[in-house]
Amino acid sequence: DAMVIQNPRYQVTQFGKPVTLSCSQTLNHNVMYWYQQKSSQAPKLLFHYYDKDFNNEADTPDNFQSRRPNTSFCFLDIRSPGLGDAAMYLCATSRISGEQFFGPGTRLTVL
Amino acid sequence: SQQGEEDPQALSIQEGENATMNCSYKTSINNLQWYRQNSGRGLVHLILIRSNEREKHSGRLRVTLDTSKKSSSLLITASRAADTASYFCATDAGGGQNFVFGPGTRLSVLP
Repeated sequence: DAMVIQNPRYQVTQFGKPVTLSCSQTLNHNVMYWYQQKSSQAPKLLFHYYDKDFNNEADTPDNFQSRRPNTSFCFLDIRSPGLGDAAMYLCATSRISGEQFFGPGTRLTVL
Repeated sequence: SQQGEEDPQALSIQEGENATMNCSYKTSINNLQWYRQNSGRGLVHLILIRSNEREKHSGRLRVTLDTSKKSSSLLITASRAADTASYFCATDAGGGQNFVFGPGTRLSVLP
């Protein structure tokens, strides 16, 4: 089945220790998104790729970086996680201006 | 500033009743989307309505869009306990891929 896969589902890291979250898709969508969602809040867009074009939201901290080596994969790198970065990280894909398909999310814990 | 805002923040109804959730936004849009999220899970797309559409149906769901009032509503008819979830609207904030989610409505359907 075509889908959006996120690995790992749960990630524990230490304060300041870099961490990478991964997302892959089999939908061949040209847009991929990363969202941060904290408890009882709405998802907040961090950045998105339209093909290889990277689009960073103005208020996304520099601590967050992303890579998209090919159509299928996209990575979220958190260079120095702080306690405030503990959240669910959601990856989504879409065709341009279309509905978004979300992965199950990666829950990040920062100790 | 938040693009989309929902009301009510929380809604509790009996099984079989209808549930109505509203979303307001601030800038022009190309489309507005509604999503459902079960606790701790990824988001599931429900309906996408384009700016030139006024109403769309999907099963027990009915979405309306009033671009003059910058508002949308989601109606779930004949609710079921399985409809218990958070419901979010998302707008494309002027036609790009920079989607902004509203704070969501937490719906509880009591058996």
